[in-house]
Amino acid sequence: NAGVTQTPKFQVLKTGQSMTLQCAQDMNHEYMSWYRQDPGMGLRLIHYSVGAGITDQGEVPNGYNVSRSTTEDFPLRLLSAAPSQTSVYFCASSSSRADTQYFGPGTRLTVL
Amino acid sequence: GQQLNQSPQSMFIQEGEDVSMNCTSSSIFNTWLWYKQDPGEGPVLLIALYKAGELTSNGRLTAQFGITRKDSFLNISASIPSDVGIYFCAGRIQGAQKLVFGQGTRLTINP
Repeated sequence: NAGVTQTPKFQVLKTGQSMTLQCAQDMNHEYMSWYRQDPGMGLRLIHYSVGAGITDQGEVPNGYNVSRSTTEDFPLRLLSAAPSQTSVYFCASSSSRADTQYFGPGTRLTVL
Repeated sequence: GQQLNQSPQSMFIQEGEDVSMNCTSSSIFNTWLWYKQDPGEGPVLLIALYKAGELTSNGRLTAQFGITRKDSFLNISASIPSDVGIYFCAGRIQGAQKLVFGQGTRLTINP
């Protein structure tokens, strides 16, 4: 039982490049979410999903896309990376609503 | 959007001391959660609170769901070096499908 896994752990992009951050969970959780963490800002919600086929925007969704084709996977796509997207990204999941979320180890992204 | 005010932002204490931190909101919350984050890792859930006035312990950690439902408190007794890290509060408003996080309290312990 691996919990929530994220890949890659580190990534460097140039401005304008695209990439997908992967997130998977093996706990059969319906709820999954993506956060970014910046110094002094805590965790800010980017997008979330309450089940396969359903996604919604969080607090800071601009510049990011998500999809939820399976219960297990919730990838985050950056279509055209910007330096402002330099951050640490965390994926999380929970069995119901948004309570007691379990976090992955994070992806540290740098955009040059 | 919703905001949680977490204080203090940082604490520098001696090993063995007790620690207190809190979160306040202008909105009423149905759920309060406390997480700890170690360097280079994701947050780990410490305590979850679901009822106003609820007091819950997890070892040396005790958290309370404020009676007004607009605040929560976390206490750590007899701190040890492994308590070092960033502590986050998080809350959920009734009917909402997302958590709101505080800015975090960075705890540093001098041995």
